[in-house]
Amino acid sequence: GENVEQHPSTLSVQEGDSAVIKCTYSDSASNYFPWYKQELGKRPQLIIDIRSNVGEKKDQRIAVTLNKTAKHFSLHITETQPEDSAVYFCAASNPRGAGNQFYFGTGTSLTVIP
Amino acid sequence: DGGITQSPKYLFRKEGQNVTLSCEQNLNHDAMYWYRQDPGQGLRLIYYSQIVNDFQKGDIAEGYSVSREKKESFPLTVTSAQKNPTAFYLCASSASQETQYFGPGTRLLVL
Repeated sequence: GENVEQHPSTLSVQEGDSAVIKCTYSDSASNYFPWYKQELGKRPQLIIDIRSNVGEKKDQRIAVTLNKTAKHFSLHITETQPEDSAVYFCAASNPRGAGNQFYFGTGTSLTVIP
Repeated sequence: DGGITQSPKYLFRKEGQNVTLSCEQNLNHDAMYWYRQDPGQGLRLIYYSQIVNDFQKGDIAEGYSVSREKKESFPLTVTSAQKNPTAFYLCASSASQETQYFGPGTRLLVL
């Protein structure tokens, strides 16, 4: 089955700096890659996603890049703010018939230091 | 994701007791999922259901059971066979081939 690895597990940056989180996946059939942000004790919330027919997608200070050949994708957050502090999860979707099973990375705890 | 609700927010289980976690969605999504999250860990899939009256085991189904009698509802029962049930349980739903949206979660604690 699919295996998603995520690095780093913890990341601290100064406010205003950029943060980059990287994920790799193993199954070339995966074609959808969402990123979730989870604040302490809350539900994961989708912040950005990318499909395999696109190499990059940007939404204000957040961007995601995908390299299908190397099977890795990355989350980029620019001009970080204290409210960006949270745990971020990547996921890869591996369609099976009519279903859509997600495989999650183990998460990156991001701390933005004011 | 405001259309997915989970109850209760906190649940306490006694030794040997079965407990049921509720998950309801009004998003008309076909697929529903249950995940377990341990402190500092990622999300592990327990069960998922693509359509009513059908469900499949995920990676850690032992000690859990589910039903899908209605499209809107996907309750999870934590049975006495689950020896280490303390965790944060998240329900999610999705339209076919689309992203998953999560409920607010239920925190299960053992007395």
